[in-house]
Amino acid sequence: GDSVTQMEGPVTLSEEAFLTINCTYTATGYPSLFWYVQYPGEGLQLLLKATKADDKGSNKGFEATYRKETTSFHLEKGSVQVSDSAVYFCAHYTGNQFYFGTGTSLTVIP
Amino acid sequence: NAGVTQTPKFQVLKTGQSMTLQCAQDMNHEYMSWYRQDPGMGLRLIHYSVGAGITDQGEVPNGYNVSRSTTEDFPLRLLSAAPSQTSVYFCASSKGITSGTGGFFGQGTRLTVV
Repeated sequence: GDSVTQMEGPVTLSEEAFLTINCTYTATGYPSLFWYVQYPGEGLQLLLKATKADDKGSNKGFEATYRKETTSFHLEKGSVQVSDSAVYFCAHYTGNQFYFGTGTSLTVIP
Repeated sequence: NAGVTQTPKFQVLKTGQSMTLQCAQDMNHEYMSWYRQDPGMGLRLIHYSVGAGITDQGEVPNGYNVSRSTTEDFPLRLLSAAPSQTSVYFCASSKGITSGTGGFFGQGTRLTVV
């Protein structure tokens, strides 16, 4: 069935380090792909999205490319900041619902 | 423009009690849904609605009831609370079923059943 698998955390990085959070998906259709971010005590906020193959979503220095051939949507950022500490969720939207990964907790230390 | 508003933010219930989690959106979105978030399990869909008067079950509907009498509101009812329903609940809305714009989420309701 439809699902999302993302890299287990927690991830701890030093400020200005490079970030990659892996995400792969299984979908019966042609899904739209998303990354959501959840800051402590808050709801989910849409970080970026891609709706077709080879699209690159980007926002706040984060990027992810829709790779249909590998069914992946890895999140990257070249230089993380302390303010990026949060939980990141990969998701796909197929038919009538979102399918979420389990979330990856990121802590950035000064 | 408030987006998606959930109330309450925190709630403690005793086993067997009932309650309603409120969700309202002011974006005229057709599609609304409820998710629960549990550690290590991501978000799982409880119920969803594609418009006023139309609801359907998601992945984990047991113990929950919903109705959609208006476009704006989508309350979630716990009929007889159980400790297994201790979770964080999120309401979401989006423009349509196949929308590629993503969903807007509320701040969440943290529910503890003792």
